[in-house]
Amino acid sequence: AQSVTQLGSHVSVSEGALVLLRCNYSSSVPPYLFWYVQYPNQGLQLLLKYTTGATLVKGINGFEAEFKKSETSFHLTKPSAHMSDAAEYFCAAHTGTASKLTFGTGTRLQVTL
Amino acid sequence: DSGVTQTPKHLITATGQRVTLRCSPRSGDLSVYWYQQSLDQGLQFLIQYYNGEERAKGNILERFSAQQFPDLHSELNLSSLELGDSALYFCASSAEVAGIGELFFGEGSRLTVL
Repeated sequence: AQSVTQLGSHVSVSEGALVLLRCNYSSSVPPYLFWYVQYPNQGLQLLLKYTTGATLVKGINGFEAEFKKSETSFHLTKPSAHMSDAAEYFCAAHTGTASKLTFGTGTRLQVTL
Repeated sequence: DSGVTQTPKHLITATGQRVTLRCSPRSGDLSVYWYQQSLDQGLQFLIQYYNGEERAKGNILERFSAQQFPDLHSELNLSSLELGDSALYFCASSAEVAGIGELFFGEGSRLTVL
């Protein structure tokens, strides 16, 4: 069975600091990997995804993530946090063999002045 | 705006009751997914329909059922409601059947069972 683990349910960073949100997956086959963001009172929105090819994926709002097969990780980063980045971030994985996208438990990002 | 519309946005009801949540997918999307989001369980996949047919089933209770109609809108029916069914229910749609592309989420229907 596939699972997605997000380390840290809450992360707090100062405005302008590096954002690092961690995601590890457990899968018998290389999965398709996604990061979604949920702003308050809104649905989830896709930030970026990895399917095949280049392992460094760039997304919207300056976020990027790197697929590291050896570490089974897909951590999300942003060089400089903005107040508007405060939201909940979900990592998700899909093996492609079944129609089910498995989400991690989410990480709430707080950005302070 | 994702293009996915969910109604109602908020619903308060009592235990034992039955409710129906409605979802209109993005124009042209054939796949509809239902997810339940709660504080203790996180985001749980319930069920997927593709062009009117059930495609995949997740952690959906027997008290819950769903369908997708010929116009592609979908309804999630929740019956014999319990306190623990209080959650945010999301509908998402995508153009493809396998679900490896982007899912477009609605803003959710918040269900409160008293």
